[in-house]
Amino acid sequence: SQQGEEDPQALSIQEGENATMNCSYKTSINNLQWYRQNSGRGLVHLILIRSNEREKHSGRLRVTLDTSKKSSSLLITASRAADTASYFCATASLRTSGSRLTFGEGTQLTVNP
Amino acid sequence: EAGVAQSPRYKIIEKRQSVAFWCNPISGHATLYWYQQILGQGPKLLIQFQNNGVVDDSQLPKDRFSAERLKGVDSTLKIQPAKLEDSAVYLCASSLVLQGAWNTEAFFGQGTRLTVV
Repeated sequence: SQQGEEDPQALSIQEGENATMNCSYKTSINNLQWYRQNSGRGLVHLILIRSNEREKHSGRLRVTLDTSKKSSSLLITASRAADTASYFCATASLRTSGSRLTFGEGTQLTVNP
Repeated sequence: EAGVAQSPRYKIIEKRQSVAFWCNPISGHATLYWYQQILGQGPKLLIQFQNNGVVDDSQLPKDRFSAERLKGVDSTLKIQPAKLEDSAVYLCASSLVLQGAWNTEAFFGQGTRLTVV
């Protein structure tokens, strides 16, 4: 079963605007990750935030994590047409023999030039 | 560094036929995942290997799907017999995970797009 639920399912913005995507999950996690997928391609890892972290930055990306609300958000600032893709959150729950990565259904982001 | 390699990229088969997908993970990555991604949905974990042992196959339809990872390196995923609802992209991913480690970034291959007609 899917762990994460992204919101919104689809987002359309103009180039230069900021894009915010949200992810909610159900069970306790070790870390939460965001991935990007261009149409017809594999997933690319963007950023990882650990369960004891609240905020993390990487370039134009800002991720927050609220473990009390079991939610995370991904902010892309100053969006570009090339940011058009599907974005997925994935929760990692550590077990004795490795980490299980469970993905949400994704947010389809369209950045219009 | 070479990425995760998958083949074939595309496959079209008739229902009830069998099909096999191949994956070569990044060298040194102990964990290998197979995901099924139906169009418009997120990836769903089918099976996870740690070296050559299975650590999670709870969502693998074992009556028709099988996977192996001989020698703890490359892996094959097989479907026999295929159904129409198996049409999807099959993604392979690998990660360098140690027990107790926090960093579990997964590296994905390009996927195999399967169409069952």
